[in-house]
Amino acid sequence: AQSVTQLDSQVPVFEEAPVELRCNYSSSVSVYLFWYVQYPNQGLQLLLKYLSGSTLVESINGFEAEFNKSQTSFHLRKPSVHISDTAEYFCAVSEPGSARQLTFGSGTQLTVLP
Amino acid sequence: DTGVSQDPRHKITKRGQNVTFRCDPISEHNRLYWYRQTLGQGPEFLTYFQNEAQLEKSRLLSDRFSAERPKGSFSTLEIQRTEQGDSAMYLCASGAGYEQFFGPGTRLTVL
Repeated sequence: AQSVTQLDSQVPVFEEAPVELRCNYSSSVSVYLFWYVQYPNQGLQLLLKYLSGSTLVESINGFEAEFNKSQTSFHLRKPSVHISDTAEYFCAVSEPGSARQLTFGSGTQLTVLP
Repeated sequence: DTGVSQDPRHKITKRGQNVTFRCDPISEHNRLYWYRQTLGQGPEFLTYFQNEAQLEKSRLLSDRFSAERPKGSFSTLEIQRTEQGDSAMYLCASGAGYEQFFGPGTRLTVL
């Protein structure tokens, strides 16, 4: 069975500072990896995904994540955060197969301080 | 708006009552998922439909839960004889390929 660990439940950071949200997974097979973001009172939105190819993936709003197979990690980074990045971030994995259901971590609340 | 929609957005019920939630997926998506999210946790998979066929069910889906997707379009999730432990956000997602797009969720409170 697959599992996802997000070690940091809360990450406070000052505006324009860099941030890294950590995600580690365990699985006996190859996986697909995702980061979702949930803004207050809104639904989950897909931020970025790794399916294959380049291990570094980027989002349109400046976030990036790198798939590291040897460390079974998919950490999310942004070099300079904005107040508007305040949200809860969820890492998720999916195994190839018919259902492709997502297994989520417990989430990291990113709070950007002025 | 062509996203995933869910109705109602909020539901308050008394223990022992039955409740039903509806999900309207993105029209061209043949995959539909239900998840449950409790406070401080990530969403947990409940069940999966491909078109009208329910192909996967989690062990979390007790006998009091039933889901349908008639004609492969909208889906309903019914909880019978609700318990306080059923209080959670119920999320619907529809998908194509490996991506899933989530609706806003239905927040259930069981008193």
